[in-house]
Amino acid sequence: QKEVEQDPGPLSVPEGAIVSLNCTYSNSAFQYFMWYRQYSRKGPELLMYTYSSGNKEDGRFTAQVDKSSKYISLFIRDSQPSDSATYLCAMDVGTGNQFYFGTGTSLTVIP
Amino acid sequence: DVKVTQSSRYLVKRTGEKVFLECVQDMDHENMFWYRQDPGLGLRLIYFSYDVKMKEKGDIPEGYSVSREKKERFSLILESASTNQTSMYLCASSPGKTGANVLTFGAGSRLTVL
Repeated sequence: QKEVEQDPGPLSVPEGAIVSLNCTYSNSAFQYFMWYRQYSRKGPELLMYTYSSGNKEDGRFTAQVDKSSKYISLFIRDSQPSDSATYLCAMDVGTGNQFYFGTGTSLTVIP
Repeated sequence: DVKVTQSSRYLVKRTGEKVFLECVQDMDHENMFWYRQDPGLGLRLIYFSYDVKMKEKGDIPEGYSVSREKKERFSLILESASTNQTSMYLCASSPGKTGANVLTFGAGSRLTVL
């Protein structure tokens, strides 16, 4: 079983839709939960991170962590064509030297 | 506002050539990483370094070496490039002992080996 599982998609939604991206994990020791956005042929850009459990909101983006279910989510409200990218989740136990990644979900927002 | 800089965005090399990929970070981070990213395989760790002159092998170190002579600089070396090393190479850093343990990536270096 992989440490982190992420549905690769692809996911296609109309502009303005609410998007839900998800990852599950198996290691209960994970403390930091990160979401990255990666445009084609570019490096991943950190969108948000959460330490331990709970929610975090930044503009149209909300990150949620449910440690009891070992499940994290990224919600995008009022999705825009510029949100079209691959979204990667990543996790760390807190040492900062061993990160586990999902395989990424490809999102297309149709104008 | 660039924080992790990779010296080359696109490189084309021939089989057997020695290749240097350079990475510099300006955030005073302890840890630096080299990953490669391939379609369907995701991100795979090649090497990481937790201090100057210190390194640890990742999941796929074969055919690669690294050098960290200064805290801000981490180099990836392909001693004799092969076609199966055609890939996107990503450098990243994290704070280490202090600070939020999240990764900051560079823009990537796309290497093609002919």
